[in-house]
Amino acid sequence: QQQVKQSPQSLIVQKGGISIINCAYENTAFDYFPWYQQFPGKGPALLIAIRPDVSEKKEGRFTISFNKSAKQFSLHIMDSQPGDSATYFCAASQGSGNTGKLIFGQGTTLQVKP
Amino acid sequence: GAVVSQHPSRVICKSGTSVKIECRSLDFQATTMFWYRQFPKQSLMLMATSNEGSKATYEQGVEKDKFLINHASLTLSTLTVTSAHPEDSSFYICSARPGFYGYTFGSGTRLTVV
Repeated sequence: QQQVKQSPQSLIVQKGGISIINCAYENTAFDYFPWYQQFPGKGPALLIAIRPDVSEKKEGRFTISFNKSAKQFSLHIMDSQPGDSATYFCAASQGSGNTGKLIFGQGTTLQVKP
Repeated sequence: GAVVSQHPSRVICKSGTSVKIECRSLDFQATTMFWYRQFPKQSLMLMATSNEGSKATYEQGVEKDKFLINHASLTLSTLTVTSAHPEDSSFYICSARPGFYGYTFGSGTRLTVV
């Protein structure tokens, strides 16, 4: 499968701090870049997503920064809270329908300490 | 919002038996659905793309005779794990696309083969 590389594998942040997770991709045809949050035993839930025609998107405490030339994108969680403790996945896809397979990064386990 | 319902949430079966997992789009039609498998502390790996009215497309390394996929209607896709063995124990998650870019995930099925 086409790769999406995610780092770090795990992250510990103090309450109120900024959590930053990075992803890099290879396929320049990818045109949709979402971030998902997953709690144990649950399916992933969409946090925020971006398309390559913008460099940044912000929704509440969550911001995606996108660098098309470097083929990298990152998630910033501002004012991190203990309830944000979960596993985060970046992903990428191309097109729609049968070709629109969503490829996931390896995941980052975030722990926010109170 | 778009909802994907997945059942059962948990299933325990004996080695050698078959298990069926259902994935339904509740408020939209899905000509394509995606099936993922997730092992503990690992990422979601795409197993196959389910196509309404036609054969599923399997990812490299996925045994199509073991993981039978049927997409008989625009709102229902099923994954049957045949002759299950302990190594098939995993978290199975389905997904569908209610729009051109977004993906909605089911809540997952925890399969334990004993």
